[in-house]
Amino acid sequence: GQNIDQPTEMTATEGAIVQINCTYQTSGFNGLFWYQQHAGEAPTFLSYNVLDGLEEKGRFSSFLSRSKGYSYLLLKELQMKDSASYLCAVTGGYGQNFVFGPGTRLSVLP
Amino acid sequence: NAGVMQNPRHLVRRRGQEARLRCSPMKGHSHVYWYRQLPEEGLKFMVYLQKENIIDESGMPKERFSAEFPKEGPSILRIQQVVRGDSAAYFCASSPDPVYNEQFFGPGTRLTVL
Repeated sequence: GQNIDQPTEMTATEGAIVQINCTYQTSGFNGLFWYQQHAGEAPTFLSYNVLDGLEEKGRFSSFLSRSKGYSYLLLKELQMKDSASYLCAVTGGYGQNFVFGPGTRLSVLP
Repeated sequence: NAGVMQNPRHLVRRRGQEARLRCSPMKGHSHVYWYRQLPEEGLKFMVYLQKENIIDESGMPKERFSAEFPKEGPSILRIQQVVRGDSAAYFCASSPDPVYNEQFFGPGTRLTVL
C-alpha cells in the first residue's frame, strides 16, 4: 500500500526556522517532491529529492533518507507569505502517479 | 510559455447535470494527471493519461466519472449526474517526462453542485 504522513498544522514566528516532516511507505520510489499551496490556489513546486541528503535552494532546503522513508522541508527566515500548506508527494517510478500526503498547514505569526 | 490551463475556473451545476472540466497541458507535455481536493483536505489522485491512453485510473470512482486525452485538444474530465459530494476543486497537472516527472499544476476548476 501507499501511505504518507505529515503533521496537520504547525505554527512559527516570522524570522524563525521551521522543519516540516514527512514519512512515507510506498511500493516503489522514484523521488519525493515538496509543493507549496496557498489557500484557493494551485500547488507550486518547491523541491525534488531522489538521492539521500540535503538539497538547498535559497531559504528552502529538503532532506531525504530513503532507508528510513523520511523527508523534511526546512524553511529559514520565515516570512508572512510562507503561511500556506506544504504537500509532500512520492512517485513510484516510470509512469507512476504521485501519492500526496495530507499536507501541513503552516501559520507564520508576526 | 503558457502554463497548464484549466477551464472553466468555476462551474456551478445542479444535481443530476453533467460537468465537463478541461485541461490543456504545458507545451511539450504529454502526461496529464487529474486530482480532486476537498476543502481542508489533501490532493487525491484520480487518473493519469497520456495521449489517447489511460495509464492509471485507480483513483477514479467507477461510476459517473470518465476522462480522456485525445490526440488533438485538451484533456477532459467528465462527471455525469453530479451529486453534492462532487463539489470540490479539481486540479490538472502535466509533466514532460515519466522518469523525472515534476508535475506542473493548473489553477484548478472549482465545482459547486447545488
